[in-house]
Amino acid sequence: AQSVTQLDSQVPVFEEAPVELRCNYSSSVSVYLFWYVQYPNQGLQLLLKYLSGSTLVKGINGFEAEFNKSQTSFHLRKPSVHISDTAEYFCAVSERGSYIPTFGRGTSLIVHP
Amino acid sequence: KAGVTQTPRYLIKTRGQQVTLSCSPISGHRSVSWYQQTPGQGLQFLFEYFSETQRNKGNFPGRFSGRQFSNSRSEMNVSTLELGDSALYLCASIRTGGVQETQYFGPGTRLLVL
Repeated sequence: AQSVTQLDSQVPVFEEAPVELRCNYSSSVSVYLFWYVQYPNQGLQLLLKYLSGSTLVKGINGFEAEFNKSQTSFHLRKPSVHISDTAEYFCAVSERGSYIPTFGRGTSLIVHP
Repeated sequence: KAGVTQTPRYLIKTRGQQVTLSCSPISGHRSVSWYQQTPGQGLQFLFEYFSETQRNKGNFPGRFSGRQFSNSRSEMNVSTLELGDSALYLCASIRTGGVQETQYFGPGTRLLVL
């Protein structure tokens, strides 16, 4: 079984500042990794995913994440955030071969003007 | 093309009642998954249906059930509602389930059990 730990429940940041949302996972098998975003009163939207290959993954809205196998981490970064990035962000992991994820508890990104 | 739609968007029920939620996937998508989102437990996978068959199941009691119709629309049923069933229920669709594909989520049905 897999599990995901999102190390920060809330991350406040000023507009145009860089941000990193941290995610660690544990699994006894090879995994796929995902980041999703959830805006208020909406469903989840996939930001990016790591399946194989390059450990640096670029996603939508200027986000990127780096897979670090030795540290079992998949941190999400954005060099300059916007007010509209305020949302809940979920890291997720699935067993290799499966697309059904196990989710972390989420990190609330709050962007201040 | 139209996204994943879920009906109703909001629902209030009382303990002991049963409820049925509906999900219409993106056209051409044959797989539908259901998730429960609560402040206490976070996002948890309920089950997945593909071509009218349950293909994967999460760790939920038998009160939670689902089905899928030939047009890929899916329903989820919860019987004998408990207060703890209050949650946002999300549905997601994917074409077949290949890992290169992207799962698309609907806006959810918010269920309140009183």
